[in-house]
This record gives sequence, structure tokens and C-alpha cells, in this order.
Amino acid sequence: GENVEQHPSTLSVQEGDSAVIKCTYSDSASNYFPWYKQELGKRPQLIIDIRSNVGEKKDQRIAVTLNKTAKHFSLHITETQPEDSAVYFCAASRGTGNQFYFGTGTSLTVIP
Amino acid sequence: KAGVTQTPRYLIKTRGQQVTLSCSPISGHRSVSWYQQTPGQGLQFLFEYFSETQRNKGNFPGRFSGRQFSNSRSEMNVSTLELGDSALYLCASSQFGAGTPYEQYFGPGTRLTVT
Repeated sequence: GENVEQHPSTLSVQEGDSAVIKCTYSDSASNYFPWYKQELGKRPQLIIDIRSNVGEKKDQRIAVTLNKTAKHFSLHITETQPEDSAVYFCAASRGTGNQFYFGTGTSLTVIP
Repeated sequence: KAGVTQTPRYLIKTRGQQVTLSCSPISGHRSVSWYQQTPGQGLQFLFEYFSETQRNKGNFPGRFSGRQFSNSRSEMNVSTLELGDSALYLCASSQFGAGTPYEQYFGPGTRLTVT
């Protein structure tokens, strides 16, 4: 099956700096890659996603890049704010329904 | 639209008992997936249901089962509970497209504690 690895497990940045979280996947058939943000005690919320026919996608301060050849994708958050502090999960799915494989999460702390 | 709802939100059970968790998807969503979230293992896929049929299944023992009703509501059952089953159980609903995964929206989860 698919194996998704996520790094780093923890990340601290100063407010206003950028944060980058990286994930690799093993199954070359995976074609959909969402990112979720989970605040303490709350449900995971979809923040951005990318499909395999696209190399980059941006939504305001958040962007995701995908390198299919290397089988890795990354989340970029610019101009970080304290409210960006949360655990971020990457995931991959291969298009045989909605079975998602998740990374182990990155705990992001934005220091004011 | 109302979001995904799960009941109960918290549950305490004794080892050996069984438990049933419920999930109501977003209106119009026909796919419901279940995940187990633990601090050590992260989010692990249990199974997905679509049109009352199990479409995908993760690597969990047969003690974990589920079903989906004609209104897309889903239940998950765990029999013969073990201490290691203590976790947050999340369900997620999604639209469905043949061969194409869609965005999943999570419920608040059911926190199960097995003593």
C-alpha cells in the first residue's frame, strides 16, 4: 500500500517568516494530495489540495507544490501568523475511492 | 450546509465490551470514511462506504466493522474492545466520482476511552 512520510515533526518559526513542510509518497499511482490543519481539540480541516496534473497551487498565503518524478509534495506558508499554529497533515490518495493515507503530522508553532 | 456530525462525542467503555459510533455526512455526500487517530500512529484509514457498500478497507482486525444506511449515515462498530482501541475516531464525508478522490470533510470525532 501507500506510505506517506512527513517532515519535520515539529517546526517553530517567528511570526512573519515562512514555513515549509515536506511529504513523500511511495505509490506512483497516487493522484490527489490534500493538506489538513488540525487545531488542538478540533477536527482536521482541508486547507489546500493538489491533483497530479498540476505542479503548483496557491491560495493567499498558502501554496502547495508537487514533484511527481520525485514523489514528493510540500506545503508553503508565507507571512506566518500566530493563528497558523496547529498540526498539519499531508495525505495521498490513488483514485480508487476516498481512501487516504496520512503523514504523521507536523506541529507548527508561530512565535509572536 | 450543516457539517459532518458524530455521536456520541465522548465514550468510556470497559475492555471486552462493544461500541457503536455514528456519523451523519454533509447533505448530498454519499461517501463516508472512518479514521482512527492516535498520538503515536496519526490518522489511519479504517474503511470507506459508498451507497451502502464498503468500497475500501484498511488494515484493521475484523473486530472493526461498519455499515452505511440508505440516507448515507454510517455507523462503526468495534467488538471485544481492547485498551489499544482508545483513540479519537473521525469520520469524513465526500462527494464521489468514479476513479477520482474528492475533498473529505471531517466530523468532530468520537473520543473513545477503553478501561
